[in-house]
Amino acid sequence: ETGVTQSPTHLIKTRGQQVTLRCSSQSGHNTVSWYQQALGQGPQFIFQYYREEENGRGNFPPRFSGLQFPNYSSELNVNALELDDSALYLCASSPEAWREGYEQFFGPGTRLTVL
Amino acid sequence: ELKVEQNPLFLSMQEGKNYTIYCNYSTTSDRLYWYRQDPGKSLESLFVLLSNGAVKQEGRLMASLDTKARLSTLHITAAVHDLSATYFCAVDSGNDYKLSFGAGTTVTVRA
Repeated sequence: ETGVTQSPTHLIKTRGQQVTLRCSSQSGHNTVSWYQQALGQGPQFIFQYYREEENGRGNFPPRFSGLQFPNYSSELNVNALELDDSALYLCASSPEAWREGYEQFFGPGTRLTVL
Repeated sequence: ELKVEQNPLFLSMQEGKNYTIYCNYSTTSDRLYWYRQDPGKSLESLFVLLSNGAVKQEGRLMASLDTKARLSTLHITAAVHDLSATYFCAVDSGNDYKLSFGAGTTVTVRA
């Protein structure tokens, strides 16, 4: 069984640029959530996708957007990058029964640095 | 908004001794998760607690959940160096589909 994978591993961008991060969910999982983890802090929920629809959003501006594809993989797009966007971006997937308290499985993360 | 507080934030442990990390949360929930994170790495699931009174143990770690007190504890028995990491608790309110994380407890085990 393949776990959650993310690409790229590391990324360096400059302010104002746009970035796309990718996530492949674990086999059998149709729910993908994205989290931002700034250095020294706990992860913060960005949004969740369930069967290709956004299914909840945290306190992030509209320049953070996402997609989920029919194979349940997902993208996180960030426009007009700011220095504070520098963080570890984590993708997590969970199975159909996530509403019943099944856990989310996290990928290895993408480290984004904005200069 | 659901708030999750962990304490202590930093814990220096002596090998062989016992310690407890506390996780308090602000709203009703009966789903709580503990994760471990090594420096520069992702989150590794430790425990899933899904009901009041739930207790789970794995090796030197034991987690419990008291939903009435809105409190979970992670107890470490006879600390060893390999347990050095940051530990996060996360709560699922069940209403808005997200996990709310605490700030983490950074554990360092010294000889």
